[in-house]
Order: sequence, then C-alpha cells, then structure tokens
Amino acid sequence: GPKVLQIPSHQIIDMGQMVTLNCDPVSNHLYFYWYKQILGQQMEFLVNFYNGKVMEKSKLFKDQFSVERPDGSYFTLKIQPTALEDSAVYFCASSFRDWYAEQFFGPGTRLTVL
Amino acid sequence: GEQVEQRPPHLSVREGDSAVIICTYTDPNSYYFFWYKQEPGAGLQLLMKVFSSTEINEGQGFTVLLNKKDKQLSLNLTAAHPGDSAVYFCAVSPLPGTGSNRLTFGKGTKFSLIP
Repeated sequence: GPKVLQIPSHQIIDMGQMVTLNCDPVSNHLYFYWYKQILGQQMEFLVNFYNGKVMEKSKLFKDQFSVERPDGSYFTLKIQPTALEDSAVYFCASSFRDWYAEQFFGPGTRLTVL
Repeated sequence: GEQVEQRPPHLSVREGDSAVIICTYTDPNSYYFFWYKQEPGAGLQLLMKVFSSTEINEGQGFTVLLNKKDKQLSLNLTAAHPGDSAVYFCAVSPLPGTGSNRLTFGKGTKFSLIP
C-alpha cells in the first residue's frame, strides 16, 4: 500500500542546535501532519498543513517549531533551537482529504536531544 | 479537549484465544474512530475506521464495536495468531466542519502471544 517515508530514522543532537525532520508523504495526498510521542506516553498531535499553510496546531507546537513543504518536496519539521523536552519520536502522516480519511503514517524519527 | 483512555496497556494471550482492547473517550462530539496497528520499526497501519451511533465492523480476524452512548470503542481480536503481535492504538477525530481533523490517540496496547 501507499507508504510515508521519514528521514532520518534516528537523530541525536545537542541542546540548542537546529534539527530538520524530513517526511516524504504519499504522492497524491494533500494534507500533512506531525505527531509527537514521548516514550511511554500517548502520540499527540502537533500540526496539520494544507496548501502551503498551517491549518491547525496544538499547544505542543512551540514557537521554535516550523513546518514547510517547498515545491512539493519533503514535508519538514524544523526545531530551532532544540530543548531537552523535544526528545521524542516524531511521526509524519498524510491524507488525501481532511475528514474521515485514513491518515497514512511514517515509521517515525527518534530524536534525542542531549 | 478530547481525552482517550485505552486499556489494558499490555495484553498476552495464547494462540487461538480471543482478546479485547477498549477505549473510552470524553468528547461527545467525537465523530470518527480508528484502530491502528504498529509493528516494530513500522508506521501505523489502519485496521478499521468507523462512525455512526452504534456499529459493529468485522475485519480479518477482528471485530470493532462502537458504542456512542457509552463513548466506548472496542477491538476484539478473535483466534489470535503470531501475526497479531504488535501495539494497537485507538484514535478519534471530531465532527467535520469544526475546523479540526486532528487524531487524539489512546496510549496503546502492547499485544503478544504467550509462547
């Protein structure tokens, strides 16, 4: 079936550095999402993105976070600067429409901030 | 906002046995409901999506029941086999037109077979 890819699978960085997480969504999908899962906790919604704009974001989507998808390339989540509490697995998802649509998930990027 | 409680967090059964995972949600405006399966190193795979007041859906080796009156969603795995070992997540999303299509997830149930 359709697959969402995430690059890299693991990333270790020092606190205060910038990090960019990359997502290659399903090719004909129009809506894109990031979710965050801290070890042992629930997966939580961060943001969704459509037509070049953030449509909805949660309180977890701090000012240090930004998303973009320039020219139909990777859908990216940038964190600048990173903090210790940003350590988590970040899941990207995409869907064809915005309601009652299956969100297809990638395998996640494990981010460790030291 | 919506809160979803999923239980149990861990579940082990013998091959051929059945098992039930239950999610309880709080927001009566939650409208769409999903079960996802996650195998190690893989993304979440959709098992079933449901809506409407009360619905029983049967898939391959499982049954999903939605009871909106009690705000409860359940996944019944029938005749467990090794391929069922994974983490299972329920998720809910709100009514269309509310301006949100975020999924709110349960904490997950780690399901395994007793050797």
